[in-house]
Amino acid sequence: EADIYQTPRYLVIGTGKKITLECSQTMGHDKMYWYQQDPGMELHLIHYSYGVNSTEKGDLSSESTVSRIRTEHFPLTLESARPSHTSQYLCASSETGPGQPQHFGDGTRLSIL
Amino acid sequence: DAKTTQPNSMESNEEEPVHLPCNHSTISGTDYIHWYRQLPSQGPEYVIHGLTSNVNNRMASLAIAEDRKSSTLILHRATLRDAAVYYCIDDQTGANNLFFGTGTRLTVIP
Repeated sequence: EADIYQTPRYLVIGTGKKITLECSQTMGHDKMYWYQQDPGMELHLIHYSYGVNSTEKGDLSSESTVSRIRTEHFPLTLESARPSHTSQYLCASSETGPGQPQHFGDGTRLSIL
Repeated sequence: DAKTTQPNSMESNEEEPVHLPCNHSTISGTDYIHWYRQLPSQGPEYVIHGLTSNVNNRMASLAIAEDRKSSTLILHRATLRDAAVYYCIDDQTGANNLFFGTGTRLTVIP
């Protein structure tokens, strides 16, 4: 059973606000990921991390930023939210090594008014 | 991104086996084949993965063709809770991204 948690599950907020989406995992995984998914569409990788103090941008350009100060915690921040940021954000983690499966949280559905 | 090809949708009757096909003709020798599923309003859920040999776990079985260019996810007895989008993924060695594609939407008919 995967133990990866995202908060909040749903967030409706006005334009211009600073937002932080939380992601925590209790499995001790070094690798963590953030994906963005619009309804009925594909997942796109926006950020990933190999471990503490490592952050990399994914295939889809995003105005969000991430940090990895602790192994278990990988928060995503939007400094000034815009309606174009409305989407579902999914966090995942995995062990390091070939073929390791990724374990996903249930996501944060973000709506910017 | 390593692409896979899956049917857009499939239907199955409840309690019957389901065979979900996937083509991954560009797979290389060290790429793993992963299957995930996503229920509505949830994140993707890992189902099974394999490299060359067929694999079984409590959720499903994975049958991999001898040339590794295709695979089949087998749900032995479909239940209503198995209704989801199923993604077949060619996990490229050294890649950081799992390319999910659009998957197969499985409908289970009571």
